[in-house]
Amino acid sequence: EIVMTQSPATLSVSPGERATLSCRASQTISSHLAWYQQRPGQAPRLLIYGASTRATGIPARFSGSGSGTEFTLTISSLQSEDFAVYYCQQYNNWPPWTFGLGTKVEIK
Amino acid sequence: QVQLVESGGGLVKPGGSLRLSCVASGFTFSDFYMSWIRQAPGKGLEWISYISTSGGVIHYADSVKGRFAISRDNAKNSLSLHMNSLRAEDTALYYCARYGENNYWYFDLWGRGTLVTVSS
Repeated sequence: EIVMTQSPATLSVSPGERATLSCRASQTISSHLAWYQQRPGQAPRLLIYGASTRATGIPARFSGSGSGTEFTLTISSLQSEDFAVYYCQQYNNWPPWTFGLGTKVEIK
Repeated sequence: QVQLVESGGGLVKPGGSLRLSCVASGFTFSDFYMSWIRQAPGKGLEWISYISTSGGVIHYADSVKGRFAISRDNAKNSLSLHMNSLRAEDTALYYCARYGENNYWYFDLWGRGTLVTVSS
């Protein structure tokens, strides 16, 4: 099973600032990585797939990068609606499909 | 409107059973692989079961194997999860989720979830 490790667990950022979230896979997963956003009380929403492709309707301030075992989600200028928990998920080796434990982006 | 709507959650005693349902609308349900994913209170996401478009291929997480059964009825646009021998650690919000178009293995559509609480 591929273990996904996200860091940091919590990220405190001021509105308008940049946020950088990391995700590491326990073995190489090529670019088979997705990012999800989960706002309080809501279901997860797909942000990024293929490590760097934005899903339909996702603003350009969200960008993903990386391949192999190291991945990054960047939010260029945080808006109020971006304060949420972000999960990465690998889909290179399955089953199981595995998620990281999440990074909470909170208001500084 | 493209959506997934789960139902069937509730309070059940340890050792009990429950059947969850997920109804799809706004897209051709039979064209998509589906999964159930759960989230324990205050915790992260855990994939628990997968079913292919025809129902011929099924996978389970080790944590539920032998206790849960996934199925689908393409004529009714519905996905089900039969849960037996429930344990306290099965307490979670259960989401049904659709895999991406063209057989991509990420989840591009999620329902709002149905809450299962296992407690005496």
